[in-house]
Amino acid sequence: KAGVTQTPRYLIKTRGQQVTLSCSPISGHRSVSWYQQTPGQGLQFLFEYFSETQRNKGNFPGRFSGRQFSNSRSEMNVSTLELGDSALYLCASSSTSGEVWETQYFGPGTRLLVL
Amino acid sequence: SQQGEEDPQALSIQEGENATMNCSYKTSINNLQWYRQNSGRGLVHLILIRSNEREKHSGRLRVTLDTSKKSSSLLITASRAADTASYFCAANSGYALNFGKGTSLLVTP
Repeated sequence: KAGVTQTPRYLIKTRGQQVTLSCSPISGHRSVSWYQQTPGQGLQFLFEYFSETQRNKGNFPGRFSGRQFSNSRSEMNVSTLELGDSALYLCASSSTSGEVWETQYFGPGTRLLVL
Repeated sequence: SQQGEEDPQALSIQEGENATMNCSYKTSINNLQWYRQNSGRGLVHLILIRSNEREKHSGRLRVTLDTSKKSSSLLITASRAADTASYFCAANSGYALNFGKGTSLLVTP
């Protein structure tokens, strides 16, 4: 099976702009989650979707949003970009449908630079 | 917020030696997972240990879990240069993984 794919891989934006990142999970996986990785804060959970429903959300401002489509593909959007949003954004998928998460399969990430 | 905390932050060893990394977490968990990351790339899943398990093996990896102390350890035996990477523990207590800041492992030939 093909792994988790993320597009684009690299992105440069300026403050105030918005950005949309895309994630295609492994075929058959219905759970998709997003993480932000920065040198200062490390890996932080953004949100998780299952069957187009957000099941959990991390402690991020409302500028960060996401959605999941019927084919399980997911997008996350960041509006009104700030310099501190520069990070590696990682998407992960899982075949888990229940409450207990099992193995998460991560994509290569999208590296966002905000100038 | 960070739940897992790894120790040490950095570790340098020679090929053939064993590497041990420790992780502590704060709340109750369903399972604890270890991941590896090479040079800011995506994370690779190494091993998962459930809250009712105490030890688990996978190849050269051995993971232990002590839920009473809220701690886990990852042992890599007979390390290789290719093991050079950052290693993260992730506590799963619901629909999220709470990662520590990681241990940076350098294995020199």
